[in-house]
Amino acid sequence: NAGVTQTPKFQVLKTGQSMTLQCAQDMNHNSMYWYRQDPGMGLRLIYYSASEGTTDKGEVPNGYNVSRLNKREFSLRLESAAPSQTSVYFCASTEGGTALSEQYFGPGTRLTVT
Amino acid sequence: AQRVTQPEKLLSVFKGAPVELKCNYSYSGSPELFWYVQYSRQRLQLLLRHISRESIKGFTADLNKGETSFHLKKPFAQEEDSAMYYCARPGPDSGGGADGLTFGKGTHLIIQP
Repeated sequence: NAGVTQTPKFQVLKTGQSMTLQCAQDMNHNSMYWYRQDPGMGLRLIYYSASEGTTDKGEVPNGYNVSRLNKREFSLRLESAAPSQTSVYFCASTEGGTALSEQYFGPGTRLTVT
Repeated sequence: AQRVTQPEKLLSVFKGAPVELKCNYSYSGSPELFWYVQYSRQRLQLLLRHISRESIKGFTADLNKGETSFHLKKPFAQEEDSAMYYCARPGPDSGGGADGLTFGKGTHLIIQP
C-alpha cells in the first residue's frame, strides 16, 4: 500500500496563477484533510472532508477550494495564488468516526508563490 | 477555541540526558491528546496517544488534568530522537472526530552527541 500520496512534490507559481494539488489514499479511509505547515506556526487545517460527498472549512480556508472527487481522492485548488500561500501542504486521511483515529499523512507539497 | 500550546520552539539536549517536551491544552473536559513526530525527510506520523497509555520508542506522556498538560518524556535521549514534535488534539467537533486536528506550533528536538 502506498498510503497517502500527493502530487506534485514541488511547485513554483507566480502571483495570480492557479493550480490544483492532488491527494489520494488507498486505505479506504472515510475522512480526508488538507493542512498547511508554516515555520513557527505548526500545521493548520485548511479544509476537510468527513466522508465522500462532503467538505467543510477548517481554520484557514480563505483562498482555497477543495473537491472530494471520490472516496480515494481529495484535491486542493488555489484559484489565484498569493505569496502568503507559500507553504508546505500536507494531505491526511483517517478511518474516521472517532476522535481517536490516527491520521495518516502524505509526504507534502512544497509550494512557493513569487 | 481549542488551543494547544508548546512553549519551546527548540530544545537541545545531550545524548543520554532526559528529555521533556511540554504541551498544554485549553480546558474542555476530558480531551483526547496526541503526539505526532516528523523525522527529517519523513512524513508526519503518530507517536502516541494518551488513551492508549503506551510507551513508544521509550517515550511516554501522561495527561495531567489539573495542570492541563500532556508533556512528552523520555529518560535517556538518543540521537535518532532528533525531530519535530507536535502535540495535537481533535478539533472543536470532537464528538464526530472527523474535523481534523488542532496542532501546537511544534518543538524541534535536537539530540547532541
